[in-house]
Amino acid sequence: GNSVTQMEGPVTLSEEAFLTINCTYTATGYPSLFWYVQYPGEGLQLLLKATKADDKGSNKGFEATYRKETTSFHLEKGSVQVSDSAVYFCALRTSSASKIIFGSGTRLSIRP
Amino acid sequence: NAGVMQNPRHLVRRRGQEARLRCSPMKGHSHVYWYRQLPEEGLKFMVYLQKENIIDESGMPKERFSAEFPKEGPSILRIQQVVRGDSAAYFCASSPFRGIEDTQYFGPGTRLTVL
Repeated sequence: GNSVTQMEGPVTLSEEAFLTINCTYTATGYPSLFWYVQYPGEGLQLLLKATKADDKGSNKGFEATYRKETTSFHLEKGSVQVSDSAVYFCALRTSSASKIIFGSGTRLSIRP
Repeated sequence: NAGVMQNPRHLVRRRGQEARLRCSPMKGHSHVYWYRQLPEEGLKFMVYLQKENIIDESGMPKERFSAEFPKEGPSILRIQQVVRGDSAAYFCASSPFRGIEDTQYFGPGTRLTVL
């Protein structure tokens, strides 16, 4: 079946450090891939997405590239800020279904 | 344009009571999705509805749970005879149409606590 696996947290970094959160997926066909962010006590916000192989999604300094050959969609940011502290979810959606399948989430904490 | 609205934000129920969760989609959106997030876990799909129709309920528990999206008014997720295991955050999302490139916009969630 379709699934998403992302690195377990928590991840703790110092401000201005480089961030990578790994995400790999299993899916039939050609899914769309997403990163969502959840700030404390809030709902999910779409951070970025990519709909086909080699697409790069980007937003707020975050980037992720759809790698079909490695079935990956790793999230990166060159210099994190304290305000980036949140839980990050990798997710996919296939053309044959409307539901989104989420990874288990990675909690990120940034130290000043 | 207001976002997806959910109420109540927090709901406390005793075992055996009923819980009703409401979701008002974004203006112009006719597709609604419900997801459940158990503590320290990701979101799990429950049900997908269009106006007056249930399109996909493959994630709904077979008993005690039901959902509707009437022609007028919000979508309702109803949980009868709640048990402690129903304690979770329930998120609603809406979209304007169905398609792989369609974006689902999430509400702030309802956090249900069953005592």
